[in-house]
Amino acid sequence: LAKTTQPISMDSYEGQEVNITCSHNNIATNDYITWYQQFPSQGPRFIIQGYKTKVTNEVASLFIPADRKSSTLSLPRVSLSDTAVYYCLVGPTMNSGYSTLTFGKGTMLLVSP
Amino acid sequence: NAGVTQTPKFRVLKTGQSMTLLCAQDMNHEYMYWYRQDPGMGLRLIHYSVGEGTTAKGEVPDGYNVSRLKKQNFLLGLESAAPSQTSVYFCATPNRDGYGYTFGSGTRLTVV
Repeated sequence: LAKTTQPISMDSYEGQEVNITCSHNNIATNDYITWYQQFPSQGPRFIIQGYKTKVTNEVASLFIPADRKSSTLSLPRVSLSDTAVYYCLVGPTMNSGYSTLTFGKGTMLLVSP
Repeated sequence: NAGVTQTPKFRVLKTGQSMTLLCAQDMNHEYMYWYRQDPGMGLRLIHYSVGEGTTAKGEVPDGYNVSRLKKQNFLLGLESAAPSQTSVYFCATPNRDGYGYTFGSGTRLTVV
């Protein structure tokens, strides 16, 4: 499974857009990029997944350049409730067969008033 | 979290005691996973199962055993608990649409 590198922590203010970048230089052809959010004392929650270009849902956008060696999770207009740890994972999806998730330490996002 | 239920939510064990953590999913998926999370760390895979009656070792399997007697249940056992097993344990199963996994709310275990 490809290793990922992301910032340990980030700070932001309410209403701002937050972009968290993840590096995955050894991503394989059949790997997807998935982001999870984790609040204290809760399990990780799936946010978004993509393979290339741009993916958008009601929560976030995911930008993936053509070489796929990095990706950026974009959170529009964050609020205090977006304070959490965000994990970037790279690997094949279930549609490609069974897969086990490999978590790094994630990015701790702190949103202040 | 919808679809995956873990019991108990909290437990304190003495060194050498045994216990079983239960994970139940109503998503009717073949695959289930047990992870542990230590302070300031990401999740590490303990064991997983790709179907009823099957189990496999993950990254940190030592000191744990698992069983998958029914499709909807995945049990994680500690035969002789050690302080190093103090952690938060999460169970997970893939989402049916192939996008991501659903995790349980976790079991916080303290071994003294």
